[in-house]
This record gives sequence, C-alpha cells and structure tokens, in this order.
Amino acid sequence: AQSVAQPEDQVNVAEGNPLTVKCTYSVSGNPYLFWYVQYPNRGLQFLLKYITGDNLVKGSYGFEAEFNKSQTSFHLKKPSALVSDSALYFCAVRDGGYQKVTFGTGTKLQVIP
Amino acid sequence: EPEVTQTPSHQVTQMGQEVILRCVPISNHLYFYWYRQILGQKVEFLVSFYNNEISEKSEIFDDQFSVERPDGSNFTLKIRSTKLEDSAMYFCASRVPPYGDQETQYFGPGTRLLVL
Repeated sequence: AQSVAQPEDQVNVAEGNPLTVKCTYSVSGNPYLFWYVQYPNRGLQFLLKYITGDNLVKGSYGFEAEFNKSQTSFHLKKPSALVSDSALYFCAVRDGGYQKVTFGTGTKLQVIP
Repeated sequence: EPEVTQTPSHQVTQMGQEVILRCVPISNHLYFYWYRQILGQKVEFLVSFYNNEISEKSEIFDDQFSVERPDGSNFTLKIRSTKLEDSAMYFCASRVPPYGDQETQYFGPGTRLLVL
C-alpha cells in the first residue's frame, strides 16, 4: 500500500518570502515522488520529481524539493514566492514496481501581495 | 510541446445513461491512465493501460467502467450506467516515451462530468 500526507490544507506566505509545502509518504518499495500544481478549472501540471540520485531536485518555475528518506518526506520549496504561485499543490507517490500514482489531498498556497 | 488532450471539456448526462470520455495521449507514449477528482477531494487512480490491456485498476474501477484504445491515437473511458456519485473531473494521463523521461505522467485538462 502507498499513501501521501499533506498536513496543511492551506499555506499563506507573503510575496517575496520563502515558501514550504509539506509532504510525507509511505510506500513499500522504491518511492518515485512527484509534485503537481493545479490552477482553478485546469488540469494537473507537472512541477518536479524524485526518482533517484541527488536528494535536492529542481523543477519548473523556480521550485525545488528535498527527498529525505529517513523522514519519508518530500517537501516543496521556493526561495521567493510570487503571487502567481497561488494554486493547489499535490504531492504524489508511485511505488517503482507499479503503475498507480497516489495523490495527497492537496495544499492550497496563497501568496499575499 | 506535445500534450494530452481530452474531449469533451464538460459533459452533462442523466443518471443511468452511458458516457464515453475521450483522450488523445501524447503520441509516442506507451502507458495510459484514467484518474478522477470528485469536487473538493483528492485525485484518485482508476486504471492503467499498456499494450492493449489493463495493467492495474483500483477498487473504484468496477464493472460499469471500461477502457479502450480503439485506434492508434484515442484512449476512451466508458461508464455504462452513470450514477450521481460518478460526477467528477476525469483526468487522462500518459507516460513512457521511447527515450527521455519515462517516469512522469502527463495529464490532460480533464473532463468535468455532471450526472443529474
């Protein structure tokens, strides 16, 4: 079984400040981890992934995430938030041996001007 | 940049009717998926499809659901007898090109299904 937890329903941050959106996961095999962003009435856009290699992965729009195996976490970060970053962010995990991707419940990011 | 497309963007149907949701995955991808997102809830896996057969399915994907790749480009999800609780946004996804990033699933914009 695999699962993802996003403990915060909403994160508020001032424009220009660093942001963190938290994610922890549980998977039996090798974790393949993803972050997607969803804007209102839109589909899911891929931001970044961790499969193997460096624990710090960089993705689109200045976002990055750090894989921490001991804490089973994959928090999304950005050094300086933009108002246009306001959206719903989903963390997702796939057990490397299977097809199914399991999503977290999503975290609404609100960047305040 | 290649993308997954879905039609229609919105579908309204009466309970008990059959609906077919259509997807055109990225052309050289090999794996295809359907997910759904009930309003305000998380995205849930329905089914994966590879080499013209279902490779995995969730407990949600019961006998009223079926998938098909009728030609070289389309990938469809059929719901035989819709229920009120089938109202959701349905996302198609694909992955695994011949080379490059083989792990990322790329999602379409979704079809919003409303069952009355």
